[in-house]
Amino acid sequence: GDSVTQMEGPVTLSEEAFLTINCTYTATGYPSLFWYVQYPGEGLQLLLKATKADDKGSNKGFEATYRKETTSFHLEKGSVQVSDSAVYFCALMRNAGNMLTFGGGTRLMVKP
Amino acid sequence: DTAVSQTPKYLVTQMGNDKSIKCEQNLGHDTMYWYKQDSKKFLKIMFSYNNKELIINETVPNRFSPKSPDKAHLNLHINSLELGDSAVYFCASSRAVAGGQETQYFGPGTRLLVL
Repeated sequence: GDSVTQMEGPVTLSEEAFLTINCTYTATGYPSLFWYVQYPGEGLQLLLKATKADDKGSNKGFEATYRKETTSFHLEKGSVQVSDSAVYFCALMRNAGNMLTFGGGTRLMVKP
Repeated sequence: DTAVSQTPKYLVTQMGNDKSIKCEQNLGHDTMYWYKQDSKKFLKIMFSYNNKELIINETVPNRFSPKSPDKAHLNLHINSLELGDSAVYFCASSRAVAGGQETQYFGPGTRLLVL
């Protein structure tokens, strides 16, 4: 079945550091890929998405590129802020259905 | 003007009770979902529902049942609550467009604690 694997956290960085959160997936066909963010005590918000190979999703300084050859969708940001502290979820959706399969989530902690 | 809302926000109850969680969306979406997030933050789909089709994750016990009075609402009813049902339950909605690329919008979650 479909699965998404993320690096385990927590990831602790200093403000303005470079961020990478790894995400790889297993799925049949050509899924759409998503990154969702969950701030403390809140629900999930879509951060960015990519729907086909080589697409790059970007939002709020975050970006991720859909790499079919490595089945990856790593999240990056050049300079993190304290306000980026949250749990980040990588997810996929197969084109044949509308249900998201999530990775285990990665907690990011950014210190001033 | 919250897009996806859930009530209650917190629910504490005894083992064996029956409870419901309500979800409403004002986005005009056709499809709604329920997800369960366990204590380790792992998120798993429970149901996907639109006016044509209910898709159930086969790992969900039949004590859980979605009920949709209309297109804007999808409530989650749980019978005979167990300790392991303690989790955060998220409702979500999206447009029902073939191709699997539609963004899902999530509610704020309902924190269920079974004692």
